[in-house]
Amino acid sequence: GAVVSQHPSWVICKSGTSVKIECRSLDFQATTMFWYRQFPKQSLMLMATSNEGSKATYEQGVEKDKFLINHASLTLSTLTVTSAHPEDSSFYICSAREGGQSGTQYFGPGTRLLVL
Amino acid sequence: EDQVTQSPEALRLQEGESSSLNCSYTVSGLRGLFWYRQDPGKGPEFLFTLYSAGEEKEKERLKATLTKKESFLHITAPKPEDSATYLCAVNMIKAAGNKLTFGGGTRVLVKP
Repeated sequence: GAVVSQHPSWVICKSGTSVKIECRSLDFQATTMFWYRQFPKQSLMLMATSNEGSKATYEQGVEKDKFLINHASLTLSTLTVTSAHPEDSSFYICSAREGGQSGTQYFGPGTRLLVL
Repeated sequence: EDQVTQSPEALRLQEGESSSLNCSYTVSGLRGLFWYRQDPGKGPEFLFTLYSAGEEKEKERLKATLTKKESFLHITAPKPEDSATYLCAVNMIKAAGNKLTFGGGTRVLVKP
């Protein structure tokens, strides 16, 4: 089956620093990847859609200058949380879509971010 | 307004007690409906994709069905390892970027 990895799985950082999270599709190419945020006991909240070779599309209310997304290849997208603050602490999950617009999104294992 | 609603929010089952989870959707044009399983602290794990009304898919103790207004995930003779949150998501034809709209999930607890 399609496998998506994320790195790191856990990160603790000081307030004001930047953190980069990587999302890789291991056995398929993905022109489109997605970044989600999930709060405890809630469903997934889409932050942005990442398209290979072009700018990401952000959902309403998501600060594009704070959450930088780069999708430089067909197997890698990165999310950088810039100048992180405690309120950015959350569970971040990426997904990669296999196939065309009707394709299935496969999710990574998630990254737990704690900002002190 | 396009909506995806899952019910019940939580379900407690005895081992072996079959049950069904519901995902109802009100969207104008369905491209696909997806079921995922999520364990605490992990990303969602793909279970099924359904594209058209009448379609059914099975995997071990799980069976997903689709009508024009809803989808059911049937759990037959569940085991404790089936305990998880089950998420339903819809890809709408008009959705920009073909993004998924998720329901709130159903938390399933299977007791031995």
